[in-house]
Amino acid sequence: DTEVTQTPKHLVMGMTNKKSLKCEQHMGHRAMYWYKQKAKKPPELMFVYSYEKLSINESVPSRFSPECPNSSLLNLHLHALQPEDSALYLCASSQPPRGSYNEQFFGPGTRLTVL
Amino acid sequence: SQQGEEDPQALSIQEGENATMNCSYKTSINNLQWYRQNSGRGLVHLILIRSNEREKHSGRLRVTLDTSKKSSSLLITASRAADTASYFCATALDNYGQNFVFGPGTRLSVLP
Repeated sequence: DTEVTQTPKHLVMGMTNKKSLKCEQHMGHRAMYWYKQKAKKPPELMFVYSYEKLSINESVPSRFSPECPNSSLLNLHLHALQPEDSALYLCASSQPPRGSYNEQFFGPGTRLTVL
Repeated sequence: SQQGEEDPQALSIQEGENATMNCSYKTSINNLQWYRQNSGRGLVHLILIRSNEREKHSGRLRVTLDTSKKSSSLLITASRAADTASYFCATALDNYGQNFVFGPGTRLSVLP
């Protein structure tokens, strides 16, 4: 299995809602990533988990809360979002760190709209 | 922070022609990677070139790296309509290759 899956594909939420994005991979990768991508812009790194521990947090607002329950799953909990948080949220995974030659495998993304 | 810069930002060519995209970066790197993204979808890894390599081929793709100029180019030969996508270069800011920064991307349109 060489896929990264993400659910849901689309999500519409109000500013007072709480929702979660889910990501799963079964490639044995031990690094998992969340990216945010606005239209016609490159992906921007939000969080990195390495061996289920948060290793990089790119100064993301606390209304985004990541969680890595095990080596195959990555969640992004959303609360009190703003309309400007509307974007494509991409999950990715890669092999354990081995030097710096790590290709990332991406899921198809969750298209989030905040009303 | 933005590490890579791509040009052109948009490129339109006819099927069968070659497409060249360029990427520049700011800091020293261990490797540079190219990814493709079809509209609104996930990214797909195309090719990785290490800092001690100058050129690499994969099928119709040719990547060059000039570390003295901090630049890379991606050449797609004999383009097809299916090559229509956005192309991003990416570099890692950390030694583990996890703190990825993507360039702004080139939107390639291949017209039949």
